[in-house]
Amino acid sequence: DVKVTQSSRYLVKRTGEKVFLECVQDMDHENMFWYRQDPGLGLRLIYFSYDVKMKEKGDIPEGYSVSREKKERFSLILESASTNQTSMYLCASSPAGRGAHSYGYTFGSGTRLTVV
Amino acid sequence: AQTVTQSQPEMSVQEAETVTLSCTYDTSENNYYLFWYKQPPSRQMILVIRQEAYKQQNATENRFSVNFQKAAKSFSLKISDSQLGDTAMYFCAFMKLSGNTGKLIFGQGTTLQVKP
Repeated sequence: DVKVTQSSRYLVKRTGEKVFLECVQDMDHENMFWYRQDPGLGLRLIYFSYDVKMKEKGDIPEGYSVSREKKERFSLILESASTNQTSMYLCASSPAGRGAHSYGYTFGSGTRLTVV
Repeated sequence: AQTVTQSQPEMSVQEAETVTLSCTYDTSENNYYLFWYKQPPSRQMILVIRQEAYKQQNATENRFSVNFQKAAKSFSLKISDSQLGDTAMYFCAFMKLSGNTGKLIFGQGTTLQVKP
């Protein structure tokens, strides 16, 4: 069974901490994505990566950075966590080319992050 | 920029009845894909159905079907014979073709409650 695994289901961090959210996929997908999900706003794209060490900003990259050192792993980094970053974070992956267009994404189960 | 709008934050339906969830989108693209995702309380996003914009025939997957009106930029989801397990948040999403990376743009979501 193919999977996207997010390391934590729930996380509580203090304001100002550096936070790492980890995502691993076992499908050899080229593309990986980080979204945040907030009530009434749906899912918004933070960053995505189309290859190892390659990344592009999404719609709301401010306050975040990412790292992709290996194809299967995509990390989201909150450099200095703030209370307005309290949210659900979803990681996803997709194959390149027509695979993405045809089958959409495979999602992880999400990390609910609370910044206090 | 593309946008996706789901104007129904919450809906409810009696078990075994039919319900339709609305979705509209805005784009100047001619070739794209549309998706409906389901997110149950487990938080795992599940692909329900997809539609290719260049296909006029509406997609169908068992009890789930879409009404795709390209000129009106409308993409509604019909659930027939609703079951308790259909209780979830449903997201409409748009994917523009962009090289090897298709980025999904999501609507705000509709919470569906199926009542016994």
